[in-house]
Amino acid sequence: DAGVIQSPRHEVTEMGQEVTLRCKPISGHDYLFWYRQTMMRGLELLIYFNNNVPIDDSGMPEDRFSAKMPNASFSTLKIQPSEPRDSAVYFCASSLRDYGYTFGSGTRLTVV
Amino acid sequence: AQRVTQPEKLLSVFKGAPVELKCNYSYSGSPELFWYVQYSRQRLQLLLRHISRESIKGFTADLNKGETSFHLKKPFAQEEDSAMYYCALISGGYNKLIFGAGTRLAVHP
Repeated sequence: DAGVIQSPRHEVTEMGQEVTLRCKPISGHDYLFWYRQTMMRGLELLIYFNNNVPIDDSGMPEDRFSAKMPNASFSTLKIQPSEPRDSAVYFCASSLRDYGYTFGSGTRLTVV
Repeated sequence: AQRVTQPEKLLSVFKGAPVELKCNYSYSGSPELFWYVQYSRQRLQLLLRHISRESIKGFTADLNKGETSFHLKKPFAQEEDSAMYYCALISGGYNKLIFGAGTRLAVHP
């Protein structure tokens, strides 16, 4: 298994543009998590899914953020419109219950 | 409320010195605790979990329920141990992982 795959690895966009981050979890994992990492706030859980169903999105900072998981092998995190304060590394992770998380390599987002 | 506290943002030691990265937690039930490590600009990796009671790369961590702590220890630090270390707690029935703020370990030659 190639692990959790995120794309793109780096994204630079202008303020106001729509940004879509993608994640492919490990096959067979039933949980998927989106985290944001910044120097100031550390690792923040944004949203997570169980069997493709969103369970807790209380960490999503604003309505500008949305996440979907249309099937067991794909999830997206969308920011529209993007702002400079959204600049961060966004990690996706997947897990099979009780077996710990596997993280992707992250997407480094820079909004200018 | 469930919470993980790592009181030190930075821990700086010399090679060969003992290391202890502190982690305290608050949780109403039976916790499941983890340590994750993140080397420079890489993904987070699971270092160890308390139920495994294993030693990875010379690191160990013991769950102390009386003190609600799960400190990470290594008797002799190596330069390659320099990284960010996150303590984390599984919360609730939905496998939700709550992270501490992280401690940066810097091991100097």
